Amino acid sequence: QQQVKQSPQSLIVQKGGISIINCAYENTAFDYFPWYQQFPGKGPALLIAIRPDVSEKKEGRFTISFNKSAKQFSLHIMDSQPGDSATYFCAASRRGLPGSRLTFGEGTQLTVNP
Amino acid sequence: NAGVTQTPKFQVLKTGQSMTLQCAQDMNHNSMYWYRQDPGMGLRLIYYSASEGTTDKGEVPNGYNVSRLNKREFSLRLESAAPSQTSVYFCASKERLAGGGDEQFFGPGTRLTVL
Repeated sequence: QQQVKQSPQSLIVQKGGISIINCAYENTAFDYFPWYQQFPGKGPALLIAIRPDVSEKKEGRFTISFNKSAKQFSLHIMDSQPGDSATYFCAASRRGLPGSRLTFGEGTQLTVNP
Repeated sequence: NAGVTQTPKFQVLKTGQSMTLQCAQDMNHNSMYWYRQDPGMGLRLIYYSASEGTTDKGEVPNGYNVSRLNKREFSLRLESAAPSQTSVYFCASKERLAGGGDEQFFGPGTRLTVL
């Protein structure tokens, strides 16, 4: 049972364009929503994260938008660059629990063409 | 700091063989995790250890066992490998962040093929 649904599965964007990846969750107990970035042959790494008490978080070209009532959140990559080509995973968890577990979305393979 | 290390990087097994995947972290983290990654299915949690001496099942524990040997090391064992266990396996450890969030640090992965 996938508690975090992610779309699209793959995305092709031109250099300089905006990449948008969407996620939806079911469990209202989730209160922490990170995005992980994975390059080929590597393990995922934390990119940016948001708590549900804010509707948007921006770090450089990366922005998370969060809609608590719709149980949806999205990653926007502005001015996308070929170096952003990677697989992106959204995730959700409950903060503060010992050994708290991340539930991941299915992943989006982003390709940014030069 | 080496971060999270995993051995081996690649492994090919025959159906029914057993093996242990090793994981170690040098960041003094309490919590450690084992995931498998399959195309189109994201990362699925196999087992986790909230602290030294404790282990718990994740989403897909069948066919696996784990040992939290000490605070640094968390191993994953396949007792009788099956083709369905062909996957990329990632170990991770978790750090609490200021402000209430946390960050999982992942190893480089073990690519396992079961014939």
